[in-house]
Parts: sequence; C-alpha cells; structure tokens
Amino acid sequence: SQQGEEDPQALSIQEGENATMNCSYKTSINNLQWYRQNSGRGLVHLILIRSNEREKHSGRLRVTLDTSKKSSSLLITASRAADTASYFCATLEVDRGSTLGRLYFGRGTQLTVWP
Amino acid sequence: NAGVTQTPKFQVLKTGQSMTLQCAQDMNHEYMSWYRQDPGMGLRLIHYSVGAGITDQGEVPNGYNVSRSTTEDFPLRLLSAAPSQTSVYFCASSYSNLPSYEQYFGPGTRLTVT
Repeated sequence: SQQGEEDPQALSIQEGENATMNCSYKTSINNLQWYRQNSGRGLVHLILIRSNEREKHSGRLRVTLDTSKKSSSLLITASRAADTASYFCATLEVDRGSTLGRLYFGRGTQLTVWP
Repeated sequence: NAGVTQTPKFQVLKTGQSMTLQCAQDMNHEYMSWYRQDPGMGLRLIHYSVGAGITDQGEVPNGYNVSRSTTEDFPLRLLSAAPSQTSVYFCASSYSNLPSYEQYFGPGTRLTVT
C-alpha cells in the first residue's frame, strides 16, 4: 500500500515563526490532502492539491506539490500557539480502470508552537 | 448538521468478545470509511464503502466486518476482539464515491482490549 511519509516527525517553533512540513510518497497519485488533528480529536481537512497543480494557498497555509520528486510541503506562516497539533498528509490512490479510490495517510508531524 | 457521529467514545473489551462501533453521517455522503490510529503508525484504512450495499477492504481488514445497508450508517464489527485491536478508531465520510473531496471525520472511539 502507498503511504505518505511526513518529515520531520516533530517540530517545535516560537509564535510568529513559519512552520514547514514535508510529505513524500511512492507512486502516482490523483491528489494529495493535508489534515490537522488536535490532541484527542478527529482529523480536520485543511487543503487539497490535485496532481496537475503545483501550488495552492488557503489563508496562512501554502501547499506545494512536486510530482517529479513525489513530494509535497505544507507551510504555515506566522504560526500561533493554536496551530499546535499533528499534521498529516494523505494521498489518493485510484485503481487503474476503476472509479474507486483509497486514501492513505502518513504518520504525521507533531507541531508545537510556543507562545 | 451533526456531521459524522461515532458511538461509543470509549470501550473496554475482554479478549474474545465482539462488539459493533457505530458511525452515522447526516450529510448524504456516498463514501464512508473506517480507520484505526495507533501511536507512530498514522491512520490505516480498515474498510470503506462507496455507497449503500457496496463495501471493500482497506489495508488492515482482518478481524473486522462492515456492512452498509443505508447511506447514513456504516457500522464496524469486531468479531472476536484481540489485544492487537487496541486502538483509536475513526469513521470518515465524503461527498463523492471517489475520496477526491475532503473527508469529514468523526470524533473517534478509543478501544482497549484486555
């Protein structure tokens, strides 16, 4: 099965700094999604980037996708203490000749933002 | 809308017992799925469904059973609980039969098998 791998596993920064997380994957994808998980809660969708897109923005979030390197990055600008959470990338694998797809998650990056 | 709801929030089982984790959504989503989350392992797909009456296996289906008799409900059955099934279980749904759209997650069920 394909699974994205986030890097680093843990990231600790001060409020106001930028946080960058990376995700690498193994095979061709239809899209890549980033999710956030606060401690003890379910995941919340942040942003989706399709395989034919290179960059996408949403508020303080910027996602890039490099399909030649099979990697993506999530940048959170001007981070806040409330951004403290785990961040996961998820890659959509679509069966050839099928309309069925499976979403595979990485192990996540734990981001801690200190006030 | 309540979104995706899961019950129970916590459960303790003895080895060999069976139980059903409930998942329901009120957004008329076709696609629903079950994941388990273990420390350091991220989320792994157990089973998924692309519509009522249609289910398929994910990465780690052994020991679990699902059915989808209605669009709203997607229960996960543990047939004979084992300590290896101690985990946090998340149900998710999305609009399309392809998970190209954002997944909406439930709050999770924390299961301990002793």
